[in-house]
Amino acid sequence: AQSVTQPDIHITVSEGASLELRCNYSYGATPYLFWYVQSPGQGLQLLLKYFSGDTLVQGIKGFEAEFKRSQSSFNLRKPSVHWSDAAEYFCAVEYGNKLVFGAGTILRVKS
Amino acid sequence: DAGVIQSPRHEVTEMGQEVTLRCKPISGHDYLFWYRQTMMRGLELLIYFNNNVPIDDSGMPEDRFSAKMPNASFSTLKIQPSEPRDSAVYFCASSLTEDYNEQFFGPGTRLTVL
Repeated sequence: AQSVTQPDIHITVSEGASLELRCNYSYGATPYLFWYVQSPGQGLQLLLKYFSGDTLVQGIKGFEAEFKRSQSSFNLRKPSVHWSDAAEYFCAVEYGNKLVFGAGTILRVKS
Repeated sequence: DAGVIQSPRHEVTEMGQEVTLRCKPISGHDYLFWYRQTMMRGLELLIYFNNNVPIDDSGMPEDRFSAKMPNASFSTLKIQPSEPRDSAVYFCASSLTEDYNEQFFGPGTRLTVL
């Protein structure tokens, strides 16, 4: 069955530091991959998506993600974190018109 | 466009009562999805529609849950009777028919069943 694993439940980084959130997926075919962000009390907002082509994908708010087929990974990165990036981040894979989400990673930013 | 609209934003009810959650998708979107988010189970897909027709309801927990989409601009998720374990945030999302299938989420309805 298709699944998405986000191994880190919580991550804390200092403001201005770099960030990498990990995501691994299990899917037989070429996946469609997504990263969503959820701020407290809000719905999910799409940060970026990968369908094909260049394996390094740029998104909104300065985020990027790299698709690595050999590692079945789609890690999210940001070179310099801002306090406003504190939120919960969800990786997802599309399967038959449905999104399968990971459990999420809560990002805390310390000043 | 106003985005996906959900109402109410918060609902508090007593066990055994009927609860109806409402969703208005983005105009022109042919797919509509209902999700439930809890601490224990994360984000789960309950059901989704294509052109107002339910396609996959395998995520609906039990017969107490039902969803309808009478037209392209409105959907409801009903719980009857409600139970405390139904307390969660319920999200509605919509997407276009194209293959890339980006979903746009509403703000959610926080349901508390006492």
